[in-house]
Amino acid sequence: ETGVTQTPRHLVMGMTNKKSLKCEQHLGHNAMYWYKQSAKKPLELMFVYNFKEQTENNSVPSRFSPECPNSSHLFLHLHTLQPEDSALYLCASSQDGGWTDRDFGPGTRLTVL
Amino acid sequence: AQSVSQHNHHVILSEAASLELGCNYSYGGTVNLFWYVQYPGQHLQLLLKYFSGDPLVKGIKGFEAEFIKSKFSFNLRKPSVQWSDTAEYFCAVSALGNNNDMRFGAGTRLTVKP
Repeated sequence: ETGVTQTPRHLVMGMTNKKSLKCEQHLGHNAMYWYKQSAKKPLELMFVYNFKEQTENNSVPSRFSPECPNSSHLFLHLHTLQPEDSALYLCASSQDGGWTDRDFGPGTRLTVL
Repeated sequence: AQSVSQHNHHVILSEAASLELGCNYSYGGTVNLFWYVQYPGQHLQLLLKYFSGDPLVKGIKGFEAEFIKSKFSFNLRKPSVQWSDTAEYFCAVSALGNNNDMRFGAGTRLTVKP
């Protein structure tokens, strides 16, 4: 069982819907991340939070909105998504916001109709 | 910023065959190097990592990787694969001075035939 949990595991939504992805880490880490995993493409870093402060936003469209209320929880709010946003969204955490390894959650498989 | 190349998209082997998956990165400075594995339906797991010291790194499940600085490479090896090694393998690099950006390769899918 992973120390990083994500809910829901699967999500189907229309382009006009609003939904949120949730991530929780039980490892006492200080940094949390959102990644997008698409088929045959490298993992794309979307957002980084270090000690609850957003330190990275990799030119992600505003239809994706992150929220980090504390160092254990991370949300990704979704609204007016496009079909090309369909992907596996991975949450990860690390001890610090630096260059050490990440612990990944199982991901949320998102399908946008 | 650094980039990571994995040369093989899909590798098919029979059980007991030897495995080598290529990984090259482009960054001239100090790096940490990682191999992650994603078994079907499971989360990404760390196989092994290199921070410093002995360039031959041993990981879990009999995997090892060798850091060759002059070639900017960090190839993954296993002498004898098993059917249970069927998975997707990702090489990743993080660079000193670029702290939050761990770059991943596109992944190599390994299929081991029983």
